[in-house]
Amino acid sequence: EDKVVQSPLSLVVHEGDTVTLNCSYEVTNFRSLLWYKQEKKAPTFLFMLTSSGIEKKSGRLSSILDKKELFSILNITATQTGDSAVYLCAVEPSGTYKYIFGTGTRLKVLA
Amino acid sequence: GAGVSQSPSNKVTEKGKDVELRCDPISGHTALYWYRQSLGQGLEFLIYFQGNSAPDKSGLPSDRFSAERTGGSVSTLTIQRTQQEDSAVYLCASSLWGGLNSPLHFGNGTRLTVT
Repeated sequence: EDKVVQSPLSLVVHEGDTVTLNCSYEVTNFRSLLWYKQEKKAPTFLFMLTSSGIEKKSGRLSSILDKKELFSILNITATQTGDSAVYLCAVEPSGTYKYIFGTGTRLKVLA
Repeated sequence: GAGVSQSPSNKVTEKGKDVELRCDPISGHTALYWYRQSLGQGLEFLIYFQGNSAPDKSGLPSDRFSAERTGGSVSTLTIQRTQQEDSAVYLCASSLWGGLNSPLHFGNGTRLTVT
């Protein structure tokens, strides 16, 4: 059965800290992995990763994929209170058009 | 519109009643998805549309759930004879061409409460 596991489930840090969120997966014929940020309502798209070892970066956020070890990490440097959210990882198995989501990591950044 | 629009934003209904949830995707997006998010849980896939057809209905939890899409645009998710376990946030998403490295864009969801 295809599955996506995220860790930790929750995390509390102080402003300025750096955090690393993990996403591991087991899917048939991997095609892509996506990261989303969910604050109150709609998850908003952060990154799509398809190739191993190529870092995607946007401001203080970055992500990388390891297709051999079947995981991805999302890094947030110099965290701010506005980074507080649930971060979701989703994987698309090839040929299904269906994204399988993990349960998310709840990040709280304290001022 | 600029984003995915869902209505209503909140719905409270009595057990046993039928409800209809609406999703208006981003213009030009051919693929449309329904997911369900229960409290503290991840997103559970319900159904996927490519155009007006639904090649994957595998996630619909029971025959009380149905969905349709018309004109390659608006979709409605109908839940008949609602049960308390149907209480959740129902999220709709659209993408340009469905999978194939095409990220999902989500609406704000409909929070359904069955009393």
